[in-house]
Amino acid sequence: DVKVTQSSRYLVKRTGEKVFLECVQDMDHENMFWYRQDPGLGLRLIYFSYDVKMKEKGDIPEGYSVSREKKERFSLILESASTSQTSMYLCASRYQGSGSTEAFFGQGTRLTVV
Amino acid sequence: AQSVTQPDIHITVSEGASLELRCNYSYGATPYLFWYVQSPGQGLQLLLKYFSGDTLVQGIKGFEAEFKRSQSSFNLRKPSVHWSDAAEYFCAVGLDFGNEKLTFGTGTRLTIIP
Repeated sequence: DVKVTQSSRYLVKRTGEKVFLECVQDMDHENMFWYRQDPGLGLRLIYFSYDVKMKEKGDIPEGYSVSREKKERFSLILESASTSQTSMYLCASRYQGSGSTEAFFGQGTRLTVV
Repeated sequence: AQSVTQPDIHITVSEGASLELRCNYSYGATPYLFWYVQSPGQGLQLLLKYFSGDTLVQGIKGFEAEFKRSQSSFNLRKPSVHWSDAAEYFCAVGLDFGNEKLTFGTGTRLTIIP
């Protein structure tokens, strides 16, 4: 089975802290994604990566950055956390070839910024 | 740009009753269509997907969905719901270009009453 693992289920951070959310997938997928999920807004794409060291902005990249140094790992970075970034964060990975293009999701990280 | 609309924010059905969750998309071509389910505090799990061919697709947990090109819809159905189906359901669209992002609807929360 495909496994996407997010390093933390719950995080509590203080305003202004630098926060790292880690995601690892074990299926050699080229594409990886970070989404933010808020009630009534569904999932919104923050950043995605289609190869090592490659990244593209999604719909809401402001206040976030990402790092992909290895194919299996995709990190989301909050440079200076704010209370508006309190949310559920979901990582996903997806095969780049044609055919089976569904995304596989991690369990999510619920981040609270106080 | 592609978009997905789930017009029902919250639906309540009785256990054993039938269910239909609506999904409409906006896109210039036929996209790839997905339904995901999210149990409380969990990540997203794929229920079913449509790429091409038969417009009625079967998924896991007894769910099915029908693609209707003329209505730009991909509604999810289940003939008889179980209490364990209580969750949030997301419709998503994507392209088969591999690195293209998935666009999600805002979700429909399903409550089951005895």
